Amino acid sequence: GQSLEQPSEVTAVEGAIVQINCTYQTSGFYGLSWYQQHDGGAPTFLSYNALDGLEETGRFSSFLSRSDSYGYLLLQELQMKDSASYFCAVKGGATNKLIFGTGTLLAVQP
Amino acid sequence: DAGVIQSPRHEVTEMGQEVTLRCKPISGHDYLFWYRQTMMRGLELLIYFNNNVPIDDSGMPEDRFSAKMPNASFSTLKIQPSEPRDSAVYFCASSPRTSGGAAKNIQYFGAGTRLSVL
Repeated sequence: GQSLEQPSEVTAVEGAIVQINCTYQTSGFYGLSWYQQHDGGAPTFLSYNALDGLEETGRFSSFLSRSDSYGYLLLQELQMKDSASYFCAVKGGATNKLIFGTGTLLAVQP
Repeated sequence: DAGVIQSPRHEVTEMGQEVTLRCKPISGHDYLFWYRQTMMRGLELLIYFNNNVPIDDSGMPEDRFSAKMPNASFSTLKIQPSEPRDSAVYFCASSPRTSGGAAKNIQYFGAGTRLSVL
């Protein structure tokens, strides 16, 4: 089967840096994605890693280590508007499905 | 493009009633996905379509749930009869395909339908 683990909650202050980890177990691997969801809103795509290493998109970066079945999302210069849930998702096996983790609720405090 | 459009945004119904949720994917996207989100179970994939054809419905919880995609610009998810445990937010998402025909890893979600079954 396929499963993903990420912390349920993370708290940080404005201006700080926070890292949200994700470990996964899949039969086959076709990339790790990250989505952001504000309360009551639609999940929105943030980043995607197919290969090992760091991908940077503005204040957000995502890292992948396929040998460790591990990735993380790094958020820098935190702003209040970054308070949201963050989901990692994997596409594994011979399928077009994304399997989502249970989400990490990030609370940014002033 | 207006993005993925879902209707209604909110639906309140009584147990036993039929519920129909609607979705218009982004034009040109070959893949359409229906998800259900609850606090207990998180974001679950119910079914997905490729070029209007249902490919994997293994996530559909029961025969009470059915989904159709009569054309490339419209899909429905129907629950009949509805039960209180069906209360959740239902999302539709669409995705373009890669040059090899697979779905890209990026999915575009609609705003969701918040369903309450009393």
